[in-house]
Amino acid sequence: RKEVEQDPGPFNVPEGATVAFNCTYSNSASQSFFWYRQDCRKEPKLLMSVYSSGNEDGRFTAQLNRASQYISLLIRDSKLSDSATYLCVVSRSAGNMLTFGGGTRLMVKP
Amino acid sequence: DVKVTQSSRYLVKRTGEKVFLECVQDMDHENMFWYRQDPGLGLRLIYFSYDVKMKEKGDIPEGYSVSREKKERFSLILESASTNQTSMYLCASSLSRQGVRPQHFGDGTRLSIL
Repeated sequence: RKEVEQDPGPFNVPEGATVAFNCTYSNSASQSFFWYRQDCRKEPKLLMSVYSSGNEDGRFTAQLNRASQYISLLIRDSKLSDSATYLCVVSRSAGNMLTFGGGTRLMVKP
Repeated sequence: DVKVTQSSRYLVKRTGEKVFLECVQDMDHENMFWYRQDPGLGLRLIYFSYDVKMKEKGDIPEGYSVSREKKERFSLILESASTNQTSMYLCASSLSRQGVRPQHFGDGTRLSIL
């Protein structure tokens, strides 16, 4: 079983739609969680950290469920510019290392 | 803003060559990392460093070594390049504080070994 699992997609949605991605992780000792965004042939960029109580940044909402070991990302009012791959990222048990999921590809169509 | 700079965007080398990939960060981060990213395999950690002259093996260190002589610079070395090392290489850095901090990436180096 992979340490961090994501549905690779692609998710094809029209502009203005709401879309949600889930991610499951296997290490119950993980303490820090992030969503990154990666555009085609570019480097990953931090989208947002994920906090225990859930957090929102504009159109983006992240949730963490420690009991079930999953993380979600909700994007409201999708824009064409949201088209990218979204990486779920989880800290490892020790040190400052992260484990990256394989990513979920989102394509927003006009 | 954190700036992580990788020396080359594209690099073509031959089998058996010794290859150096350089990475510099300007935010006084303690931690630096080297990953490779391949289709279907995601990002895989090669080596990382917590401090100057410190290095630790990641998940796939075979065929690679690293050097960290200065805090801001972390070099990845392919001792004898092979075709299966053709990949996108990404350098990242992060702060070392309480809790695990997010990593900030350079633009990446697309390396082809012929």
